[in-house]
Amino acid sequence: GENVEQHPSTLSVQEGDSAVIKCTYSDSASNYFPWYKQELGKGPQLIIDIRSNVGEKKDQRIAVTLNKTAKHFSLHITETQPEDSAVYFCAASRDNDMRFGAGTRLTVKP
Amino acid sequence: DADVTQTPRNRITKTGKRIMLECSQTKGHDRMYWYRQDPGLGLRLIYYSFDVKDINKGEISDGYSVSRQAQAKFSLSLESAIPNQTALYFCATRGTGATGELFFGEGSRLTVL
Repeated sequence: GENVEQHPSTLSVQEGDSAVIKCTYSDSASNYFPWYKQELGKGPQLIIDIRSNVGEKKDQRIAVTLNKTAKHFSLHITETQPEDSAVYFCAASRDNDMRFGAGTRLTVKP
Repeated sequence: DADVTQTPRNRITKTGKRIMLECSQTKGHDRMYWYRQDPGLGLRLIYYSFDVKDINKGEISDGYSVSRQAQAKFSLSLESAIPNQTALYFCATRGTGATGELFFGEGSRLTVL
């Protein structure tokens, strides 16, 4: 089955700086790559996703890039704010099989 | 009210007890999922269901069972709880289609002593 590795496990940045979280996947047939944000005491919420026919997608301060050849994708958050502090999960999906990375705890220091 | 509601939110039980975690949704979605979250391991799929008559095992189904009582209700049971089932459990729903957003509940924290 699919295996998703996510790095780093923790990330601390200063408010206003950028944050980058990287994931690799093993199954070349995976075609859908969502990113979820989990705030303390809450369930994960989708923040952005990308499909395998697209290389990059942006939504305001958040962007995701996908390199299908290398089988890796990344989440980029620019101009970070304290409210960006949370745990972020990447995932890779093929058909009905979605596998999640282990998560990255992002802390944005004011 | 939340679109995906889990009960109980917190439960402490003893080894060998039977536990049921319940999930109900108001999104009208056919697809429902149970995930387990452990520190450093992310979210792992336990069971999923595409409709009332369709139940499928996920990555880590051993020691768990599920019941889809209606389109809106999907429950997870631990027949005989053991300490390594201590975890945070999430129910999620998704609309028709193999890809698309998962909508998660707020989680049920289970502690097995």
